Amino acid sequence: SQQGEEDPQALSIQEGENATMNCSYKTSINNLQWYRQNSGRGLVHLILIRSNEREKHSGRLRVTLDTSKKSSSLLITASRAADTASYFCATDVTRGSRLTFGEGTQLTVNP
Amino acid sequence: GAVVSQHPSWVICKSGTSVKIECRSLDFQATTMFWYRQFPKQSLMLMATSNEGSKATYEQGVEKDKFLINHASLTLSTLTVTSAHPEDSSFYICSASRDSGGFETQYFGPGTRLLVL
Repeated sequence: SQQGEEDPQALSIQEGENATMNCSYKTSINNLQWYRQNSGRGLVHLILIRSNEREKHSGRLRVTLDTSKKSSSLLITASRAADTASYFCATDVTRGSRLTFGEGTQLTVNP
Repeated sequence: GAVVSQHPSWVICKSGTSVKIECRSLDFQATTMFWYRQFPKQSLMLMATSNEGSKATYEQGVEKDKFLINHASLTLSTLTVTSAHPEDSSFYICSASRDSGGFETQYFGPGTRLLVL
């Protein structure tokens, strides 16, 4: 089964800076999603990008998808201390199928 | 909308006992629910896919007799960890699949932390 990989594994930045996280996957996908997880909590859905889309925005979030390179990036602009969390990408092969999660990036935003 | 709850949020039990975890979609019907397990500082690993009214589909390496899944209604799925052992201690997260504008989006519960002594 495909397994997403994310880099960096950990990222520490100052408040106000931008944070970029990358995700790579191995097989063709239907959609790619990004989730946030605060320590010890459930996952919060951030954004979904379809396989035929290249870029998507939602507030301070910008997601890109390059299907030729099988990679995606999540950019958080003007980061805040409250953005401190783990961020996971997840892919599905077909509509409604299982999600495969990447290893995650632990983001720390220092006030 | 699209709220998923889990109960209990945490549980401590003795080795050998069974623990039941409930996953509910509160404001939508979910024909499919998923159960994940997450060890500290690791990603989510899918354990099984649960479809209402049918047997769950387990991932390779997950013992179906140990992790019993019952999806009795469109809003409730339960995971029972039978004869729990310390190595079963983990964070268990469920998700419910909902059609959103033609796309299936999974909404996750808050998780259940299990500690087996």
